[in-house]
Amino acid sequence: NAGVTQTPKFRILKIGQSMTLQCAQDMNHNYMYWYRQDPGMGLKLIYYSVGAGITDKGEVPNGYNVSRSTTEDFPLRLELAAPSQTSVYFCACREGGVLTFGAGSRLTVL
Amino acid sequence: KNEVEQSPQNLTAQEGEFITINCSYSVGISALHWLQQHPGGGIVSLFMLSSGKKKHGRLIATINIQEKHSSLHITASHPRDSAVYICAVQSNTGNQFYFGTGTSLTVIP
Repeated sequence: NAGVTQTPKFRILKIGQSMTLQCAQDMNHNYMYWYRQDPGMGLKLIYYSVGAGITDKGEVPNGYNVSRSTTEDFPLRLELAAPSQTSVYFCACREGGVLTFGAGSRLTVL
Repeated sequence: KNEVEQSPQNLTAQEGEFITINCSYSVGISALHWLQQHPGGGIVSLFMLSSGKKKHGRLIATINIQEKHSSLHITASHPRDSAVYICAVQSNTGNQFYFGTGTSLTVIP
């Protein structure tokens, strides 16, 4: 039982490049979330989804896009990467009150 | 202003000591969560509370809804408890979470 799988674990991007962070869960949870974690700051919500086909913006959505075509997958797209997007990104899913996190993806934009 | 405030930010303890980490919040909540983040970066859920007290092994979590305050206690601390402990509150709608900045705990043998 893998839980929540995030790929890649590490990535370096040049300014202006685009990429997709993948998130897949095998627990059949409806709720999925993307957070970013910056040094000295709490996790900030980028986007979330309450089920397949439904997504909504969180606190810091600018520069990102998501899709949720299946229950299992919730990819996060970065268009035109900027240094401000250097961060650690966590995907999570939820059933009831229990949050399950992926291992994180460390992204550096140079 | 952050919706969730934790104290202390950093904590160093000798092995065996009793440890308390505090969390205060300013929004209406449906539940409060304590999470643990190890140096490798992974985040795991320790507790979910909506009232009273919960205990798992050497960890105890309490919440006072009226005072909007929660504490995480670690009894007989051990070096393997060294991690960042994060308090998070779940909104009244249940859909969103707000996170504290974490308490970095180091337990010295």
